[in-house]
Amino acid sequence: TQLLEQSPQFLSIQEGENLTVYCNSSSVFSSLQWYRQEPGEGPVLLVTVVTGGEVKKLKRLTFQFGDARKDSSLHITAAQPGDTGLYLCAGEYNFNKFYFGSGTKLNVKP
Amino acid sequence: DTEVTQTPKHLVMGMTNKKSLKCEQHMGHRAMYWYKQKAKKPPELMFVYSYEKLSINESVPSRFSPECPNSSLLNLHLHALQPEDSALYLCASSQDRGQGALIGYTFGSGTRLTVV
Repeated sequence: TQLLEQSPQFLSIQEGENLTVYCNSSSVFSSLQWYRQEPGEGPVLLVTVVTGGEVKKLKRLTFQFGDARKDSSLHITAAQPGDTGLYLCAGEYNFNKFYFGSGTKLNVKP
Repeated sequence: DTEVTQTPKHLVMGMTNKKSLKCEQHMGHRAMYWYKQKAKKPPELMFVYSYEKLSINESVPSRFSPECPNSSLLNLHLHALQPEDSALYLCASSQDRGQGALIGYTFGSGTRLTVV
């Protein structure tokens, strides 16, 4: 059973386009994190959100945590080839216990 | 030092072999984790150590045996594995929730394990 569903699963876009990735669950998270993973490497933490309704910006990336803390979104403005990778959300359900979403594989073509 | 170091990077082992994966961090993190990641899938939680004590075992088969000898080291002992256990094994660390801080994982690059 997948606790966290991400959509879309795959996304192939041209350089300069905008995109949004969604992470949804029926459960409430204590906190939620977004990671980017490249082939053969471990995931790299992008952001942690804690408060319902919270919005965080990291250069061209905007992260939003839903008011009810059950969902989150990642928006990328003017995507670049260097943004290519697997984007993973991870929700904290219990003490020190995180589960990862199903992942969104992004390919940005030059 | 802001890294989690995993060794070896690649490991091929037979089904009757015994091997160990190693993980090390020097960030003062008191929570350490093992994850298993199959190709094109997200990481799946296996074990969590909090202050060197096993706090979570996600019903992992006993052929995987974790060990945390001290606050900087985490091992995963492997014995009598099956070919379906072939995967990328990721170690991660974070501040423990008991340390009160907002936590995020720092992952190692993983060990690519092939069971033949």
